[in-house]
Amino acid sequence: DAGITQSPRHKVTETGTPVTLRCHQTENHRYMYWYRQDPGHGLRLIHYSYGVKDTDKGEVSDGYSVSRSKTEDFLLTLESATSSQTSVYFCAISESGTNRYEQYFGPGTRLTVT
Amino acid sequence: LAKTTQPISMDSYEGQEVNITCSHNNIATNDYITWYQQFPSQGPRFIIQGYKTKVTNEVASLFIPADRKSSTLSLPRVSLSDTAVYYCLVTDNFNKFYFGSGTKLNVKP
Repeated sequence: DAGITQSPRHKVTETGTPVTLRCHQTENHRYMYWYRQDPGHGLRLIHYSYGVKDTDKGEVSDGYSVSRSKTEDFLLTLESATSSQTSVYFCAISESGTNRYEQYFGPGTRLTVT
Repeated sequence: LAKTTQPISMDSYEGQEVNITCSHNNIATNDYITWYQQFPSQGPRFIIQGYKTKVTNEVASLFIPADRKSSTLSLPRVSLSDTAVYYCLVTDNFNKFYFGSGTKLNVKP
């Protein structure tokens, strides 16, 4: 399995508080992604990174920000958590070229906003 | 980015071949087609990708007709452990992946 870890794995937080999720890879892959998955739905892309300090928005980026200061770390921040952001968050990585279509996913972080 | 349409669910029996078809009518010239598998409480796992004609690997085959408006994932001789959700994605050069709702495959004994 690809070396991807996510922390924390579970978190409960209150509405209005900032939350940061971390994705760490040991594969030196160029691309990193953050998705959310809600019950009964597929994954929706929040943000992705195509290199250090290079990021772009995905399908559902409102209320989220990201940072990538090192190749191996991609942080997702919920600036002011809301109950609608209760979800399972997955990080993924992929290489360059046509291999970028093959994403490797982390174990997920279950976030509950009360 | 081209959206995809898949059946919501499918049933099969162990040992059968399963074909899941995905429609992507607005696929663009540079788009690739990718399929993922997801088990409960896990992240998706890459199965196969293709651009045109047929691609085969150790777990599946992907059939893409000449007009590329659809694709079919073929799983040979499924087992109970193939029960999962299968996602068809069409991805462009801008690295934005849209998973859609997927097809829930239920393999029965």
